Amino acid sequence: DGGITQSPKYLFRKEGQNVTLSCEQNLNHDAMYWYRQDPGQGLRLIYYSQIVNDFQKGDIAEGYSVSREKKESFPLTVTSAQKNPTAFYLCASTLSHLGYTNTGELFFGEGSRLTVL
Amino acid sequence: AQKITQTQPGMFVQEKEAVTLDCTYDTSDQSYGLFWYKQPSSGEMIFLIYQGSYDEQNATEGRYSLNFQKARKSANLVISASQLGDSAMYFCAMREGYQLIWGAGTKLIIKP
Repeated sequence: DGGITQSPKYLFRKEGQNVTLSCEQNLNHDAMYWYRQDPGQGLRLIYYSQIVNDFQKGDIAEGYSVSREKKESFPLTVTSAQKNPTAFYLCASTLSHLGYTNTGELFFGEGSRLTVL
Repeated sequence: AQKITQTQPGMFVQEKEAVTLDCTYDTSDQSYGLFWYKQPSSGEMIFLIYQGSYDEQNATEGRYSLNFQKARKSANLVISASQLGDSAMYFCAMREGYQLIWGAGTKLIIKP
């Protein structure tokens, strides 16, 4: 079945450590996104990528980094510079970035919950 | 200022009743889009329905309809004949330019 796979589902990090969240899609989508979700708040965009080897910062990119070396993969690294990384992270994709702005249909993974110890 | 406002943090509804989830938005753009997503306890966001600002008719998708009142800047989601499986968080979002702006969500609990 086509879809988006995020791993790990739960992750614990010690302060000062970098961690990488995986996001893989087999939908043949060009555009991929990383969102952060905190309790009582809407989703906030961290980074997005419209095409392989290209990505742009979203609203809250500080302390995060991404890469897009393959169409299927868009990993997110939460660095030690991120002061408050405990959150739920959602990866999403759509056929094209322009297309998403017309229909709004983003496809999401099941998320990764990161907790800082 | 909040661009997307969902005034109901939580709602309890009896099974089989209709539900209306409120969403108001703020934009000066003429072209925009409004969306509703469902987030069950599993965590993934599921797209429910879309309404373009130029669409004259309210969008419908099965049991979901969007009550679009442009002058009042509201885009309420109506779920007809609610089911236990409808219990989830519901998010309203607005496309403005190339951005998607999200509301804080409403937690809906369907009582048997």
